[in-house]
Amino acid sequence: SQQGEEDPQALSIQEGENATMNCSYKTSINNLQWYRQNSGRGLVHLILIRSNEREKHSGRLRVTLDTSKKSSSLLITASRAADTASYFCATDDPYNTDKLIFGTGTRLQVFP
Amino acid sequence: DTGVSQDPRHKITKRGQNVTFRCDPISEHNRLYWYRQTLGQGPEFLTYFQNEAQLEKSRLLSDRFSAERPKGSFSTLEIQRTEQGDSAMYLCASSLSGSQDGYTFGSGTRLTVV
Repeated sequence: SQQGEEDPQALSIQEGENATMNCSYKTSINNLQWYRQNSGRGLVHLILIRSNEREKHSGRLRVTLDTSKKSSSLLITASRAADTASYFCATDDPYNTDKLIFGTGTRLQVFP
Repeated sequence: DTGVSQDPRHKITKRGQNVTFRCDPISEHNRLYWYRQTLGQGPEFLTYFQNEAQLEKSRLLSDRFSAERPKGSFSTLEIQRTEQGDSAMYLCASSLSGSQDGYTFGSGTRLTVV
């Protein structure tokens, strides 16, 4: 089962523009993570935000978390063609915090 | 350490055949996870190990699937009597302390059952 739902399912932008992806989840969490997946490859961990944090930055990435709305957003600023990938949010399983449950993903296309 | 390695990268097999995949995690990571991903979907949890102990198996993992992690190092995932519905990307990940850290994923094994 998928805990997270990303929105939009697909996003196309020009290089230099900002890309915003949203994730909604259903249960209480300890942390939420974002991953990137290039076509046909494994996932790469981007950033982790804990339930007591509201915002976190890493380079061109900005993640926000609103636990009252059970939602998170990932902002990629000044996007590049190399950012073209699928982006997934993941939350810890409320029944087993050892494991992550992934969302359905947002497919980002950045045109040069 | 070169990260998480999976072998093979691609596997094409005939329906009814058995296949086995291997995953070598990051050496100091005691947790190892298997996920399955179909086209356009997010990864779905299959099973995981803490050291050599298999702690949880998803209901997705039918009796035809078995996973092992002897001596708490590498892991194998075997699918017996493959079906076309088994066609997917099988992803392995490892972690030092579960979901409190990020997972490190391998590049995956893409299985095609014909």
